[in-house]
Amino acid sequence: GENVEQHPSTLSVQEGDSAVIKCTYSDSASNYFPWYKQELGKRPQLIIDIRSNVGEKKDQRIAVTLNKTAKHFSLHITETQPEDSAVYFCAASRHTGGFKTIFGAGTRLFVKA
Amino acid sequence: EPEVTQTPSHQVTQMGQEVILRCVPISNHLYFYWYRQILGQKVEFLVSFYNNEISEKSEIFDDQFSVERPDGSNFTLKIRSTKLEDSAMYFCASSDAGQGNSYEQYFGPGTRLTVT
Repeated sequence: GENVEQHPSTLSVQEGDSAVIKCTYSDSASNYFPWYKQELGKRPQLIIDIRSNVGEKKDQRIAVTLNKTAKHFSLHITETQPEDSAVYFCAASRHTGGFKTIFGAGTRLFVKA
Repeated sequence: EPEVTQTPSHQVTQMGQEVILRCVPISNHLYFYWYRQILGQKVEFLVSFYNNEISEKSEIFDDQFSVERPDGSNFTLKIRSTKLEDSAMYFCASSDAGQGNSYEQYFGPGTRLTVT
């Protein structure tokens, strides 16, 4: 079945450093790749997304890259701040022949002040 | 800004009982989803719903689960005979995928289901 692998499971960085989280998906029909930030007890919150016809997208300190051939996509957070500490989930979503979204296992990011 | 709402916020039920989790999607959205998240684990896709029928469902969504859009505003998830392992946070989401040319899913705050 469809699968999304996410690495690392835990990431600890110093404030001001960059953080990179990587995901790989298996369903070649996936055409939309959102990234979510989830704080304890809260709903997933979309922070950035990319569609399959785009290679990269940036929004202030956050950027996402997509390599459709290799089925890899990555989240880059620059100038990390303590409030970036949370669990981050990647997801691969298909919107043809049915609508389905598969999430990665999550990365717990700690930003040390 | 319009939001997805869910009720109740917390539901406690005994094993074997039926539960109905309720969601009110954003009013002009046409695509609806249910996810579950066991404590400390990833978000798992259960089912998507469009045009009054199931679009896709996962292996988790077996015969004990059903979804319904009983009126123009509510979207419900029914679990017929709850098991201990059904204890999780259940999130509803909606999107206007295609219509507004956006695939973004808007998540509700979740219902925490505890099966004892």
